[in-house]
Amino acid sequence: DAGITQSPRHKVTETGTPVTLRCHQTENHRYMYWYRQDPGHGLRLIHYSYGVKDTDKGEVSDGYSVSRSKTEDFLLTLESATSSQTSVYFCAIGTGLNTEAFFGQGTRLTVV
Amino acid sequence: RKEVEQDPGPFNVPEGATVAFNCTYSNSASQSFFWYRQDCRKEPKLLMSVYSSGNEDGRFTAQLNRASQYISLLIRDSKLSDSATYLCVVNRFNDMRFGAGTRLTVKP
Repeated sequence: DAGITQSPRHKVTETGTPVTLRCHQTENHRYMYWYRQDPGHGLRLIHYSYGVKDTDKGEVSDGYSVSRSKTEDFLLTLESATSSQTSVYFCAIGTGLNTEAFFGQGTRLTVV
Repeated sequence: RKEVEQDPGPFNVPEGATVAFNCTYSNSASQSFFWYRQDCRKEPKLLMSVYSSGNEDGRFTAQLNRASQYISLLIRDSKLSDSATYLCVVNRFNDMRFGAGTRLTVKP
């Protein structure tokens, strides 16, 4: 399995609080992604990174920010959590454009 | 309309059956195509890439028709362990779009 670790694996937080999810890889892949998965929607891209300090928005980026200060770490921050951000969040890594992605085990986030 | 549409399922089949999943995509500029499988409460895992010439991996065969913007997955001789949700994935320069998935249950 690809060396991807997400933390925390489960989190319950209150509406209005900031939350940061961490993705750590040991594969030295250039591309890293954050997705959310909700019933009936499949996985949707939030943000991605194509290098250190290089990030771009995905399909559902509102309310989220990311940072990548090192190749191995990609952080996802919910600036002020809302109930609509209750979801399962997956980090993924890839080697290049149009290549397959490998996923971490996911973080189950509940906003109450 | 969603960018990637899959058969809604669920598919319930007996062991040994052949089952086919279909997927259509709307962006003709899509560059690469994949099938992933996802077990309950687990992460998606790459099953196979899909090429225009068609490709096979053991009991699994994937086909791509760019003209019709259609992808298929055929599973022959289904096993109990094939029970999962199958995700159709279409990629265009890091914009990876997932279908909502088709759930397969293989029964003894």
